[in-house]
Amino acid sequence: GENVEQHPSTLSVQEGDSAVIKCTYSDSASNYFPWYKQELGKGPQLIIDIRSNVGEKKDQRIAVTLNKTAKHFSLHITETQPEDSAVYFCAASIALPGSARQLTFGSGTQLTVLP
Amino acid sequence: KAGVTQTPRYLIKTRGQQVTLSCSPISGHRSVSWYQQTPGQGLQFLFEYFSETQRNKGNFPGRFSGRQFSNSRSEMNVSTLELGDSALYLCASSLRTGATIHYEQFFGPGTRLTVL
Repeated sequence: GENVEQHPSTLSVQEGDSAVIKCTYSDSASNYFPWYKQELGKGPQLIIDIRSNVGEKKDQRIAVTLNKTAKHFSLHITETQPEDSAVYFCAASIALPGSARQLTFGSGTQLTVLP
Repeated sequence: KAGVTQTPRYLIKTRGQQVTLSCSPISGHRSVSWYQQTPGQGLQFLFEYFSETQRNKGNFPGRFSGRQFSNSRSEMNVSTLELGDSALYLCASSLRTGATIHYEQFFGPGTRLTVL
């Protein structure tokens, strides 16, 4: 089955700096890669996602890049703010018409933005 | 639009008991997936339900089961609870409609289960 590895497990940055979290996946059939942010006591919140037919996607301060050949994808947060502090999870999934899907998650990155 | 709701938010049970957790998906969403989150194993897929049928199942023992109702609400049941079942159980809903691919899954706040 799919295996997703995520690095680093913890990341501290100064407010205003950029943060980068990297993930690799094992199943070349995976074609959907979401990123989730989880704050304490809450469920994961979808913040951005990318499909395998796209190499990069950006939404304001957040961007995701995908390298299908190397089977890795990354989350980039620019101009970090204290409210960006949370645990971030990457995931990979195969999405086929009429087929069930399951997300395979990375182990998470605790991001701390220092004021 | 209301998000995914899960009840109860917190549960304390003892070993050997059984528990039922409930999930109401976002209005109009017909697919419900369940995940277990623990500090040691992270987020792991349990199963997905669509049109009242289990469509996919993760690598969990048969003590974990679920069902989906005609209104898309879902329940999961864990029988003969073990200490290791202590976890945050998360439900995610998706706008799955038959052959059409809908990628996004939206999570509820979870049910925190503690087994003593």
